[in-house]
Amino acid sequence: DIVMTQSPFSLAVSEGEMVTINCKSSQSLLSSGNQKNYLAWYQQKPGQSPKLLIYYASTRQSGVPDRFIGSGSGTDFTLTISDVQAEDLADYYCLQHYSSPDTFGAGTKLELK
Amino acid sequence: QVSLKESGPGILQPFQTLSLTCSFSGFSLGTSNMGVGWIRQTSGKGLEYLATIWWDDDKYFNPSLNSRLTVSKDTSNNQAFLKITSVDTADTGTYYCTQRRGRGFAYWGQGTLVTVSS
Repeated sequence: DIVMTQSPFSLAVSEGEMVTINCKSSQSLLSSGNQKNYLAWYQQKPGQSPKLLIYYASTRQSGVPDRFIGSGSGTDFTLTISDVQAEDLADYYCLQHYSSPDTFGAGTKLELK
Repeated sequence: QVSLKESGPGILQPFQTLSLTCSFSGFSLGTSNMGVGWIRQTSGKGLEYLATIWWDDDKYFNPSLNSRLTVSKDTSNNQAFLKITSVDTADTGTYYCTQRRGRGFAYWGQGTLVTVSS
């Protein structure tokens, strides 16, 4: 199975700050056929189900604010949230769906400082 | 507008079989490259992928639970099903069904809490 190592475990921020969350995969997630990275980012607010933010490493899902930016390729990926808002406080997860079984990172909890 | 909703027993005893139903709208499992994925969230393992059933009835399972899992679908009624045999306390958690596409798990249901307890 591909192991997804996500960091940090938690992050305390103030509104307006920029944060970065990292995800490293134990194998490349880049498809040689279509040059897509099979890496997605999810946001989960308390009491809610996860919501897709970013897919193919850097494509924003429809309706997601442009302060959420996904980047990276191969084995190293980053989710950047610029100008953090109170509504962004949540758990964030990366997912690889390049190779079955799909695997998730352990999650990053974004909290208010 | 895509919507999914899981339904299940809520509570069951060890060694019983867990049966979950996913009822969805806004898409069809008769459409090419469409699938329904099952994921659970437990305190022990976080988010864990379980299985996917595709429009062409192709199925993928997490090998860690492979022998215990069954997935099926009723395309006409927009439903998908998951069964897990011989449950134990480690299977306690929230179970989600999702719309599965090339971009991953695009839409999620609200989840259904399953508790395994004697």
